[in-house]
Amino acid sequence: AQTVTQSQPEMSVQEAETVTLSCTYDTSENNYYLFWYKQPPSRQMILVIRQEAYKQQNATENRFSVNFQKAAKSFSLKISDSQLGDTAMYFCAFMKPKTSGSRLTFGEGTQLTVNP
Amino acid sequence: ETGVTQTPRHLVMGMTNKKSLKCEQHLGHNAMYWYKQSAKKPLELMFVYNFKEQTENNSVPSRFSPECPNSSHLFLHLHTLQPEDSALYLCASSQERTGGGTGELFFGEGSRLTVL
Repeated sequence: AQTVTQSQPEMSVQEAETVTLSCTYDTSENNYYLFWYKQPPSRQMILVIRQEAYKQQNATENRFSVNFQKAAKSFSLKISDSQLGDTAMYFCAFMKPKTSGSRLTFGEGTQLTVNP
Repeated sequence: ETGVTQTPRHLVMGMTNKKSLKCEQHLGHNAMYWYKQSAKKPLELMFVYNFKEQTENNSVPSRFSPECPNSSHLFLHLHTLQPEDSALYLCASSQERTGGGTGELFFGEGSRLTVL
């Protein structure tokens, strides 16, 4: 079974600064997908960024980028130029490919607060 | 405006009550999910419906009964729940491909359930 661990329950950052959220996972699979989801206080969770394990290049979406270290089974999220709207719970998630349905295994989440 | 709508947003019920949670997706997706979100715990996948067929039941107690009458609607019927079932129940949908899941879930805002 796969497990996803987020070791930082809470983090805070000043507006306009950069913050990195950590995620490690455990799997025996060679190919898989990794995700970061964001859940703002309104509670609707949305996908932030996605990484395919067979791609060595780190995924980037505007101010959000990942540092994917496959050998270390590490998948951190970097948020640059933090904005107040980035305040949310962030979840790291894992998925095996070729499954029926998108069955994600989530971590416990990191509550990020962006301070003005 | 969310493409996945959940009702009710809040529900308080006694252990002997029967109630239902409803989820509707307006995105034309072919898969729907129920997740349980408890404080300080990872999201737990409860049920997966892919093309209206249930493909996952992660050892969920029988007091939770899902129903998927069509690809746009998903219900979670609740009966004789326990206080530890109090949680946020999230519905999600996705568009699945023949070769496997994409991992991109679209979530509703959740139904906050309190069992007295």
